[in-house]
Amino acid sequence: DAKTTQPNSMESNEEEPVHLPCNHSTISGTDYIHWYRQLPSQGPEYVIHGLTSNVNNRMASLAIAEDRKSSTLILHRATLRDAAVYYCILRDDNAGKSTFGDGTTLTVKP
Amino acid sequence: ETGVTQSPTHLIKTRGQQVTLRCSSQSGHNTVSWYQQALGQGPQFIFQYYREEENGRGNFPPRFSGLQFPNYSSELNVNALELDDSALYLCASSPDRIRGYTFGSGTRLTVV
Repeated sequence: DAKTTQPNSMESNEEEPVHLPCNHSTISGTDYIHWYRQLPSQGPEYVIHGLTSNVNNRMASLAIAEDRKSSTLILHRATLRDAAVYYCILRDDNAGKSTFGDGTTLTVKP
Repeated sequence: ETGVTQSPTHLIKTRGQQVTLRCSSQSGHNTVSWYQQALGQGPQFIFQYYREEENGRGNFPPRFSGLQFPNYSSELNVNALELDDSALYLCASSPDRIRGYTFGSGTRLTVV
């Protein structure tokens, strides 16, 4: 199964940009890169996804390496409400599998 | 959009019993996946259904089974419950097999 690797934790100051990295060296051609975040006692919340090109939405930006073996979730201005566990997952369209790693716990300091 | 609703929110069962967890997805969401999340860990993929057929399965034994219905609802059934089955069970739906999932808040299952 394709797997993702993320740092266990990261810290940021409020209103500063945050770059959350993810390695997925065994990614296959049919894998989409998805990012979710999860607050305590809640289900994960969709943030963004992409295949090959960089993506932007109202929540964040996703930068995908040219070889697709890594990606970076960019929060342009962190707020206290962005403190959560962030998961990078690969969603295989063909096999119907989505593999979560252990995620990155983001702490935002005021 | 009404989101994804899971029931019950909490459940306590005895080892060896059987349990059925339910999920109501958004209209038009043809894909539903179920996950098991132990405390302090990321969600583990159990299986995915697309248009009422299972089209992907994680490393879970056959006593974990599911159903998806035409009205966008689904079930997760677990037979012969074990203590290690205690976890948060998450249902997630998507319009197709590519776009982002909408997750429910989960069912907290405790096996004693």
